[in-house]
Amino acid sequence: DAGVTQSPTHLIKTRGQQVTLRCSPISGHKSVSWYQQVLGQGPQFIFQYYEKEERGRGNFPDRFSARQFPNYSSELNVNALLLGDSALYLCASSLVWDTDYEQYFGPGTRLTVT
Amino acid sequence: QQQVKQSPQSLIVQKGGIPIINCAYENTAFDYFPWYQQFPGKGPALLIAIRPDVSEKKEGRFTISFNKSAKQFSLHIMDSQPGDSATYFCAATSSNDYKLSFGAGTTVTVRA
Repeated sequence: DAGVTQSPTHLIKTRGQQVTLRCSPISGHKSVSWYQQVLGQGPQFIFQYYEKEERGRGNFPDRFSARQFPNYSSELNVNALLLGDSALYLCASSLVWDTDYEQYFGPGTRLTVT
Repeated sequence: QQQVKQSPQSLIVQKGGIPIINCAYENTAFDYFPWYQQFPGKGPALLIAIRPDVSEKKEGRFTISFNKSAKQFSLHIMDSQPGDSATYFCAATSSNDYKLSFGAGTTVTVRA
């Protein structure tokens, strides 16, 4: 069975640009969460989606947005990129949102902002 | 502010040794405590998890100890092997929101 997949693997952008990251959850999983992992730190929660609705948002600016599609895949968008947005962006999926604790992570997208 | 404090930042053990990683939390709403293992260039992989109604849980060579009154939990890696060399993260979440709060990570190196 395929795990969580993310694309692209690596991305280099310039300050001020916009970026879209994509995630496909494990088959059968309906909830997707996004995390930002800065080098040398633990992942920080950005968003959680279930059945196309936002169920949670972390302490990130409005430049960060996301959405979930009917097939449960998800996109994370970041506008007006800053150097500090350079990080590994992780997607995690879980079976449902409100009764399932176990989250499974994808390999991440490494974003470098220059 | 970091809701889960993890220590040490790094540790080195010989093969067969028992690395111990400690975590502490303040939020009493937390009711699920997973540990993740992360290799360079990979996403975190769920290793083992515990709920506060249990004081210890073992899965293979990995053991979690949980002290609810002290709001602390720890990971022990028994008979550690060089393949266990990785960064380990403790995390916590609650049934209020199911979002994971991670510790800062511990880099474990097991020397052959």
